[in-house]
Amino acid sequence: DVVMTQTPPSLSVAIGQSVSISCKSSQSLVYSDGKTYLHWLLQSPGRSPKRLIYQVSNLGSGVPDRFSGTGSQKDFTLKISRVEAEDLGVYYCAQTTHFPYTFGAGTKLELK
Amino acid sequence: EVQLVESGGGLVQPGRSLKLSCAASGFTFSNYYMAWVRQAPKKGLEWVATISTSGSRTYYPDSVKGRFTISRDNAKSSLYLQMNSLKSEDTATYYCARQVFDYWGQGVMVTVSS
Repeated sequence: DVVMTQTPPSLSVAIGQSVSISCKSSQSLVYSDGKTYLHWLLQSPGRSPKRLIYQVSNLGSGVPDRFSGTGSQKDFTLKISRVEAEDLGVYYCAQTTHFPYTFGAGTKLELK
Repeated sequence: EVQLVESGGGLVQPGRSLKLSCAASGFTFSNYYMAWVRQAPKKGLEWVATISTSGSRTYYPDSVKGRFTISRDNAKSSLYLQMNSLKSEDTATYYCARQVFDYWGQGVMVTVSS
């Protein structure tokens, strides 16, 4: 199975600060079609997960451009510029390149 | 507006069965692979099953293979998860999601306990 290692496990930030979350996979996430199926999700407290970024760097519908995703092969990063209060929650990376699909353990973003 | 609404959760004894349903609306259901994802209390996300558009192909992790069955009824825009031989470790909130994880339901709680 592909192991997704997310760091850090938690982040304490001030509103307006920028932060980055890392996600590393145990094997390449490039599929046979050449695409990389690495996604970022946010689960706000008490809510269902919401997809922010798909295929490494594509912004989901309605997602503010303060969010950006970069990376390739096995090393990926989510960056949040100018954190707002609504950004708090747990961030997950997820891969749907290989079965079984797997998620990172999550990064909890809290207010400082 | 895309909506996914799960139902069928509850308290069930170990070894028993339960069937979850997910009613989809706001999109052409038959065009999308669909998935179930679960989240144990205070834990992370775990993929449980995926089904192809026609239902002819299904995929599971080893943790549920042979016990859980995903199915769909495209005429009813509905997704199902039949869960047999339930274990305490199956206790979780179960989410229905479009395969690309762009839309999720509100989740339904399943508690396996005697």
